[in-house]
Amino acid sequence: DQQVKQNSPSLSVQEGRISILNCDYTNSMFDYFLWYKKYPAEGPTFLISISSIKDKNEDGRFTVFLNKSAKHLSLHIVPSQPGDSAVYFCAASEPYNNNDMRFGAGTRLTVKP
Amino acid sequence: DTGVSQDPRHKITKRGQNVTFRCDPISEHNRLYWYRQTLGQGPEFLTYFQNEAQLEKSRLLSDRFSAERPKGSFSTLEIQRTEQGDSAMYLCASSLWSGTYEQYFGPGTRLTVT
Repeated sequence: DQQVKQNSPSLSVQEGRISILNCDYTNSMFDYFLWYKKYPAEGPTFLISISSIKDKNEDGRFTVFLNKSAKHLSLHIVPSQPGDSAVYFCAASEPYNNNDMRFGAGTRLTVKP
Repeated sequence: DTGVSQDPRHKITKRGQNVTFRCDPISEHNRLYWYRQTLGQGPEFLTYFQNEAQLEKSRLLSDRFSAERPKGSFSTLEIQRTEQGDSAMYLCASSLWSGTYEQYFGPGTRLTVT
């Protein structure tokens, strides 16, 4: 059962523009959401997270927005840089069960110079 | 400490053989996780340890899979009688349980069963 869905397998943007990566979830019990970035031949690297008590969290060029009513979150990268080219995974977990994180299938972002 | 390490990085084996992978977590982390990732999918949770205790196993972890974490440090994941469907990237992650959810991943072991 795909409880976390990333419907866009790939996204291409121009350097300097905004990248918006989307993620939808079906489990209303999820209360913590994370984004991971993965380069080839490396494991996923934690990027940014958000708790369900917030609707926005910002860290430098990265901002995550959470819309609980729509069960939707998005990651905004602005301005996008070529080094941001990677696969981005959305992940979610339930309270008191954060060991079983559910991941989306990932979105491959390509930032063109 | 340079992060989570995994060994080997690649393993090719014939169907029916046993394989064992090793994961060394970040030294102060008390939780260790194993995931499996197949092409085009995100990581899928297999099992996790808190210190040396294995506290949870996914239904994905069949009887042919066994994981250990002796002394609460490194962990091993063994697959017995490998099948072609076991071909995947096996990822290890660790975290320091302090109320946060972030897990830190190793580079993975890519298993190919021929």
